[in-house]
Amino acid sequence: SQKIEQNSEALNIQEGKTATLTCNYTNYSPAYLQWYRQDPGRGPVFLLLIRENEKEKRKERLKVTFDTTLKQSLFHITASQPADSATYLCALLNAGNNRKLIWGLGTSLAVNP
Amino acid sequence: DGGITQSPKYLFRKEGQNVTLSCEQNLNHDAMYWYRQDPGQGLRLIYYSQIVNDFQKGDIAEGYSVSREKKESFPLTVTSAQKNPTAFYLCASSIGYGGNQPQHFGDGTRLSIL
Repeated sequence: SQKIEQNSEALNIQEGKTATLTCNYTNYSPAYLQWYRQDPGRGPVFLLLIRENEKEKRKERLKVTFDTTLKQSLFHITASQPADSATYLCALLNAGNNRKLIWGLGTSLAVNP
Repeated sequence: DGGITQSPKYLFRKEGQNVTLSCEQNLNHDAMYWYRQDPGQGLRLIYYSQIVNDFQKGDIAEGYSVSREKKESFPLTVTSAQKNPTAFYLCASSIGYGGNQPQHFGDGTRLSIL
C-alpha cells in the first residue's frame, strides 16, 4: 500500500542544535516534495519545495534533502531556536496522481532554551 | 498584506443544519482548495478549484458542497449529510493547480456539533 510517514514521536532538542526531521514514503514516485510548518490552531506555512532531480535545497537555516533511492526526505534546522517549535508537515506530489498533494501527519518539534 | 482569510474561526452546527465556511484570498491565485484536518490523520482534500467557475471533488467530498463564482472566493458548505463534521477545516490557494506549486493557507475554521 502507499504510505507517507513522518516521525510520530515528538522531537525534543536543545537550543542551538540541529533538528533533523524525516519523511519516508512507500509505493510513490514523487515528482516534488514540500515541507510546511504548522503552529497550533493555525494553517500550515510553506517552507521549501524540492524536485525529484534535486538532491538538496537550502533557505537560510533550513535544508531539505531528497533521496529517491532511500525514498526519503530529510528536513534540517540548524542553530535551532525556541521559536522553531512547531509541527512540520511533508507533502508529496506523486507522478501521475492528478497533481494532488499527499500529506504526512507531521512531526512535532520542541526546541528547549 | 496579501493572504487568505477564513471565517468564522469557530463554528457550531446543530443536527440537521447546513453551515457555510467562508474563504477569501487576495493573492490573485487561480487555484483554491479545501482540506479537513483530524487528529492522527494527514490533511485530506475535500474539493479543489483550478479556476473560477470550475471545481472538482477531492478524496472526501461526500456531504460537502462548494462554489467558485469569483476568483477570490471559495466557500464550503457542510451539509446535514456529512455525519462526522467535527474537524479543523483549512482553505488554501496556489498560483496554479498542481503539486509543484506552494500552497498558501488560511488559519482555519474549527467546526463542532452542538
